[in-house]
Amino acid sequence: DAKTTQPPSMDCAEGRAANLPCNHSTISGNEYVYWYRQIHSQGPQYIIHGLKNNETNEMASLIITEDRKSSTLILPHATLRDTAVYYCIVRVAWVGGSNYKLTFGKGTLLTVNP
Amino acid sequence: DAGVTQSPTHLIKTRGQQVTLRCSPKSGHDTVSWYQQALGQGPQFIFQYYEEEERQRGNFPDRFSGHQYPNYSSELNVNALLLGDSALYLCASSHRYGGPNQPQHFGDGTRLSIL
Repeated sequence: DAKTTQPPSMDCAEGRAANLPCNHSTISGNEYVYWYRQIHSQGPQYIIHGLKNNETNEMASLIITEDRKSSTLILPHATLRDTAVYYCIVRVAWVGGSNYKLTFGKGTLLTVNP
Repeated sequence: DAGVTQSPTHLIKTRGQQVTLRCSPKSGHDTVSWYQQALGQGPQFIFQYYEEEERQRGNFPDRFSGHQYPNYSSELNVNALLLGDSALYLCASSHRYGGPNQPQHFGDGTRLSIL
């Protein structure tokens, strides 16, 4: 799986959009970008994933650059409860019936301030 | 719909002891993966089970072993505990044929402390 690079920490004001970048310059054509977050003392929570198109769900939006070498997770209206470590993970799409493992880095600690 | 459940939530052991951690997957999932998360680090993959067999393994010694039961629940066993085994142990479940649009779901983990 391709390696990812994320800033160690970011701050955001409550109510504003939080934009979390991720660099994955060695991504292959069959690799997806996944985002998880981990709130203190909880397990990682799935947020969103994408292959090459931009994606949006009830939690966030994912913007993937045209060359797929980087992506941005957008939380449109951050709240205090969004304070967490955010992980960007690249993994090969499921192939041939085998399952997959997730390779986590250290992620980005997003702190939402009142 | 119950998510992934893990037990116990906290555990304290001493060096040299053995420990068993338990995981029940999310309803409809047949695959269980275990991760170790040291303080300040991201989770690291230990191994994965489906059809009651270990299918993938990360870079962990043989002291770490597991089991999966016919109802898909799983156990993680660690023998000869070391201080460095102190960590949050996470269980994640998925469906073997779920594909990329069905991501892994995590439990809240077991916090293991070794004295």
